[in-house]
Amino acid sequence: QQQVKQSPQSLIVQKGGISIINCAYENTAFDYFPWYQQFPGKGPALLIAIRPDVSEKKEGRFTISFNKSAKQFSLHIMDSQPGDSATYFCAASPLGGNTPLVFGKGTRLSVIA
Amino acid sequence: DGGITQSPKYLFRKEGQNVTLSCEQNLNHDAMYWYRQDPGQGLRLIYYSQIVNDFQKGDIAEGYSVSREKKESFPLTVTSAQKNPTAFYLCASSIIGQGQETQYFGPGTRLLVL
Repeated sequence: QQQVKQSPQSLIVQKGGISIINCAYENTAFDYFPWYQQFPGKGPALLIAIRPDVSEKKEGRFTISFNKSAKQFSLHIMDSQPGDSATYFCAASPLGGNTPLVFGKGTRLSVIA
Repeated sequence: DGGITQSPKYLFRKEGQNVTLSCEQNLNHDAMYWYRQDPGQGLRLIYYSQIVNDFQKGDIAEGYSVSREKKESFPLTVTSAQKNPTAFYLCASSIIGQGQETQYFGPGTRLLVL
């Protein structure tokens, strides 16, 4: 009930291509869905987040798409660059901030020239 | 310069030894968290605290202990009962309240067993 399932585990994309990472959840109480980006040896940093009152949120080259009925959300990275190579984690929590985030297992993205 | 600091960056533990990882934040955040990261396992919650002198176990609390004597500090002790402590440990903090769920992470401590 508390799991967030993330796929794929790893992803290789050509420079300039679109990277797509998917997450699915079961707990209908989840109401906040952030994505984190982590470079090797560093702590994760918040990339973009969405609440289910909108179906899409875009910040620069990064877009979250959210499908409440399917309980799925995804991260799209447009015009992927080698500097985007990192591990990406989706997460979810109920609204209110009183419960810790539940994280997916991560996707290691490699953008090759 | 606001943020979360973790020390040391690398820590070596001998067999049977307890070691303590430091986490300090000057963001005035209410909640603090400890995660363990292993390759392919994502981030697993060890302990979290939402208020001084109170904390809750996460998914993998066995072999670990914490204290929260001050709002800005949340040290994690890896005890000798933790048989496989080699991992990357991440501390995070957040404000509690609706619309404030974002967790901010420190730079991490890598623990290695000698």
